[in-house]
Amino acid sequence: DGGITQSPKYLFRKEGQNVTLSCEQNLNHDAMYWYRQDPGQGLRLIYYSQIVNDFQKGDIAEGYSVSREKKESFPLTVTSAQKNPTAFYLCASSSGQGRQPQHFGDGTRLSIL
Amino acid sequence: AQTVTQSQPEMSVQEAETVTLSCTYDTSESNYYLFWYKQPPSRQMILVIRQEAYKQQNATENRFSVNFQKAAKSFSLKISDSQLGDTAMYFCAFTPYNQGGKLIFGQGTELSVKP
Repeated sequence: DGGITQSPKYLFRKEGQNVTLSCEQNLNHDAMYWYRQDPGQGLRLIYYSQIVNDFQKGDIAEGYSVSREKKESFPLTVTSAQKNPTAFYLCASSSGQGRQPQHFGDGTRLSIL
Repeated sequence: AQTVTQSQPEMSVQEAETVTLSCTYDTSESNYYLFWYKQPPSRQMILVIRQEAYKQQNATENRFSVNFQKAAKSFSLKISDSQLGDTAMYFCAFTPYNQGGKLIFGQGTELSVKP
């Protein structure tokens, strides 16, 4: 079945540590997105990519980095510069310029040790 | 700035009844797309319904329908014959045409369907 796979489901970060969240899709979608969800709030865009080897900052990119070396993969690194990383992270993909809805992965919950 | 506002943090409805969730948005764009997503306790984001701004006809999907008022920048969701499985967080979202498809979300409305 086609879909988006996020791993791990749960992740713990120590002080000063960088951690990487994985996102893989087999939907042949060009565009991929990373969102952050805090308790009781909506999703906020961190980074997005419309094509391989290109990506743009979203509204809350500080303390995060991404790469898009393959169409299927869009990993997100939460760096030590992100002082409040505890949140639920959702990856999504879509085939069009907003015309088609985004498909979401099941998310990764990141917590601080 | 482009924003989406959901003014009802929580709502409840009796099973089999109808409920309407409100959403307003602010944009200077004339072409855009609007969505309602559902997030049950499993945290999975599920598309409920989609509306294209250039279409005057309101979208419907089975028990779900929208009331799209472009001039008022309003996009409410009506759920008919509510079921226990409709209990979830509902998010209204908006994306302007040709801006990479990035979604701007509202804060969400937590809907409880009571037996």
